[in-house]
Amino acid sequence: AQKITQTQPGMFVQEKEAVTLDCTYDTSDPSYGLFWYKQPSSGEMIFLIYQGSYDQQNATEGRYSLNFQKARKSANLVISASQLGDSAMYFCAMREKLLGNAGNMLTFGGGTRLMVKP
Amino acid sequence: DAEITQSPRHKITETGRQVTLACHQTWNHNNMFWYRQDLGHGLRLIHYSYGVQDTNKGEVSDGYSVSRSNTEDLPLTLESAASSQTSVYFCASSEFGRSNTEAFFGQGTRLTVV
Repeated sequence: AQKITQTQPGMFVQEKEAVTLDCTYDTSDPSYGLFWYKQPSSGEMIFLIYQGSYDQQNATEGRYSLNFQKARKSANLVISASQLGDSAMYFCAMREKLLGNAGNMLTFGGGTRLMVKP
Repeated sequence: DAEITQSPRHKITETGRQVTLACHQTWNHNNMFWYRQDLGHGLRLIHYSYGVQDTNKGEVSDGYSVSRSNTEDLPLTLESAASSQTSVYFCASSEFGRSNTEAFFGQGTRLTVV
């Protein structure tokens, strides 16, 4: 079974509008973390936002916010006031510890390609 | 400034050859990861390591190996390169244990197996 699922392969949004990118996850580790990364066409991976499983409030970083619904195991990224420079691939990722393992595993979803229209 | 670097950035090799991709980080992070990125698959975990002498298989580890002899380096070896291993490879490091910081990524290595 997929640990991280992003169901939207591609999305369009009008410039200045808000957009939500979906992410659902599955883990048995009670102390996990969720990340969103942006990958522009140049290829580098850019960290956007982090949410810990015990964090009481939804994470926010500038125009990015994470809609964390723990019971539904979802961690959707909301981008407000979209800009042309937001056009990129967006990846949801999860940090978790597997039983019997000392370290953390970091797994990624398949990504969503966001295209911002002028 | 601390950084994570991959080398080479581009590599063309022949089927059946052994290839090693280097990853070096100066963050002093315990966690290091190798991923491959193919169209339609996002980033898939190949191997990861929690510290020196620790290595673990990810979801697509067949045909790949890693070794961790020091904190800074996690080289990825393709024992006998196959055309199916043509991909972009990313290395990452993080220190999840001390604080919930993000994973830092190298620039990627584009590997072509002909």
